[in-house]
Amino acid sequence: DAKTTQPNSMESNEEEPVHLPCNHSTISGTDYIHWYRQLPSQGPEYVIHGLTSNVNNRMASLAIAEDRKSSTLILHRATLRDAAVYYCIQIQGAQKLVFGQGTRLTINP
Amino acid sequence: SQTIHQWPATLVQPVGSPLSLECTVEGTSNPNLYWYRQAAGRGLQLLFYSVGIGQISSEVPQNLSASRPQDRQFILSSKKLLLSDSGFYLCAWSTREYLGTGELFFGEGSRLTVL
Repeated sequence: DAKTTQPNSMESNEEEPVHLPCNHSTISGTDYIHWYRQLPSQGPEYVIHGLTSNVNNRMASLAIAEDRKSSTLILHRATLRDAAVYYCIQIQGAQKLVFGQGTRLTINP
Repeated sequence: SQTIHQWPATLVQPVGSPLSLECTVEGTSNPNLYWYRQAAGRGLQLLFYSVGIGQISSEVPQNLSASRPQDRQFILSSKKLLLSDSGFYLCAWSTREYLGTGELFFGEGSRLTVL
């Protein structure tokens, strides 16, 4: 299965931007990059996904490197509710999502 | 709107006892269905997925099994639980055959403790 590399943990302050990095050096041309996040004792929730160009939605922005071997999830103004484990997933194959260990994001008030 | 229900939410079972976790999806038809497990302090492990009634793909060999008796119903079972089966079990669904362009929707989870 495709493997992504993320820092184990990151810390930021409330109302500041957060940049969560992810390396996916084995990515091929048709692989999408997805981000999910998991709050404590809950199931993961979808955040954003992209293929080649940068993507924006109401939750976050996704910046994908030109060579597609890395990407960054951007939370523009972090709140305490953004504290969660963030998973970067490289999707290969049609029907399954394989999660790594993710990055545990702590937001300081 | 689509919703997903899992039950029971919490379960404490002795080693060697059977298990049945149920998941149903409402508001959609012919979904792809998934069972994940998350052991304490660990990431999510894909256990089974199904693209249709009676069609089950197993990702990890273990003493668990899955069944899909109806289009929107997915059941996770075990005949004899092991201590290592403890964890947070999550059901999920997707409407798109290729997840690259879609998203996965998760239920609230079932927390199983095997003693």
